[in-house]
Amino acid sequence: GQQVMQIPQYQHVQEGEDFTTYCNSSTTLSNIQWYKQRPGGHPVFLIQLVKSGEVKKQKRLTFQFGEAKKNSSLHITATQTTDVGTYFCAPRRNYGGSQGNLIFGKGTKLSVKP
Amino acid sequence: KAGVTQTPRYLIKTRGQQVTLSCSPISGHRSVSWYQQTPGQGLQFLFEYFSETQRNKGNFPGRFSGRQFSNSRSEMNVSTLELGDSALYLCASSLTTGLAGVNEQYFGPGTRLTVT
Repeated sequence: GQQVMQIPQYQHVQEGEDFTTYCNSSTTLSNIQWYKQRPGGHPVFLIQLVKSGEVKKQKRLTFQFGEAKKNSSLHITATQTTDVGTYFCAPRRNYGGSQGNLIFGKGTKLSVKP
Repeated sequence: KAGVTQTPRYLIKTRGQQVTLSCSPISGHRSVSWYQQTPGQGLQFLFEYFSETQRNKGNFPGRFSGRQFSNSRSEMNVSTLELGDSALYLCASSLTTGLAGVNEQYFGPGTRLTVT
């Protein structure tokens, strides 16, 4: 079945440093979503990527979808304490061309030291 | 617009008992998905309902079941509870399912289930 590997599992950074999390799939993805979960909270949708090589930006966050649509990344420039949380990638499972459920990676837990 | 609500927020049960969790999606959302979240396994998909029909199902035993009502509200049931069922159960709603457009999921606050 479709497997999703997200790395690193944990990342500790000093405030102001950059942060990147990677999501790798064993199969070609139709699309991929990214979510953020703050400590004690629930996942909140950030973005969806669909096209090969797509790059989307949200202020200090940059999302990329690989050319082969098998990997994706989230890069945060100049982290702030408000960026603390766990970031999940969530590609959608495919069933012979029809789309199924989201598959969440195990997430990257980001901590930011002020 | 009100967000996704889940009841109860916290629950303590004993092994062997059964439990029913409830989820009310955002008004107008017809798709409801359920997830189990544990520190070791992360977010694992349980099942998805759309217009009262189960559309997708994850790899969980038959003790886990769900249903959706005509008003899109959903319930999940776990029978014969085991210690390993202790987790945060999250419900998420979206407008549609299985379409190529942006189909973001809106999560509820979750139900924290503890099995003793």
